[in-house]
Amino acid sequence: QSVLTQPPSASGTPGQRVTISCSGSSSYIGSNYVYWYQQLPGTAPKLLIYRDNQRPSGVPDRFSGSRSGTSASLAISGLRSEDEADYYCAAWDDSLSGPVFGGGTKLTVL
Amino acid sequence: QVQLQESGPGLVKPSETLSLTCTVSGYSISSGYYWGWIRHPPGKGLEWIGSMSHSGRTYYSPSLKSRVTMSADTSKNQFSLKLSSVTASDTAVYYCARLSGMAVAWFDPWGQGTLVTVSS
Repeated sequence: QSVLTQPPSASGTPGQRVTISCSGSSSYIGSNYVYWYQQLPGTAPKLLIYRDNQRPSGVPDRFSGSRSGTSASLAISGLRSEDEADYYCAAWDDSLSGPVFGGGTKLTVL
Repeated sequence: QVQLQESGPGLVKPSETLSLTCTVSGYSISSGYYWGWIRHPPGKGLEWIGSMSHSGRTYYSPSLKSRVTMSADTSKNQFSLKLSSVTASDTAVYYCARLSGMAVAWFDPWGQGTLVTVSS
């Protein structure tokens, strides 16, 4: 069982906006930045969002992140078929003294 | 462009030691950053195994600490993972990645990953 809680699945149609939630306790999300990773089928995870809401170079602005209290969200607007992937949230855990991950959300584009 | 590549046996027998190497190109591991290992067991989420600073200081997941050893060979620009006394629950895709500092979950980039199966 993963430390950070994500819904196992999410779906949307092309052009729609979908959000993926990530919840946890004060020792991680409540006090540290949240990061989001995209894992396309058969590939390694790729950094999608850093420090809650920052996009690395090359990541479309259709992807956005936010954090409030002990929860965080990833929003994808203008959904495209190529967005179909697994999405993971991550944060530093002060209690563990290490990073922790969510269980992942499988996004299906209908 | 920084690239990482894992290498090592794809099959390890129970009770033996899993050994993996991560070869880094495009950046010297002794120059900065932290370097880490993450695994992805089938059907489960990602799990942090451990990290190493550019100066060689190591940090391990408490759940794996008794079995994990990380080391570096700066002459080859590689860092390694050893996980002892493996069982079937250690079967996973193992990734190496660069970590952008301490107290963050900022892994970028990642290696392509290597599947390690624990079976007799």
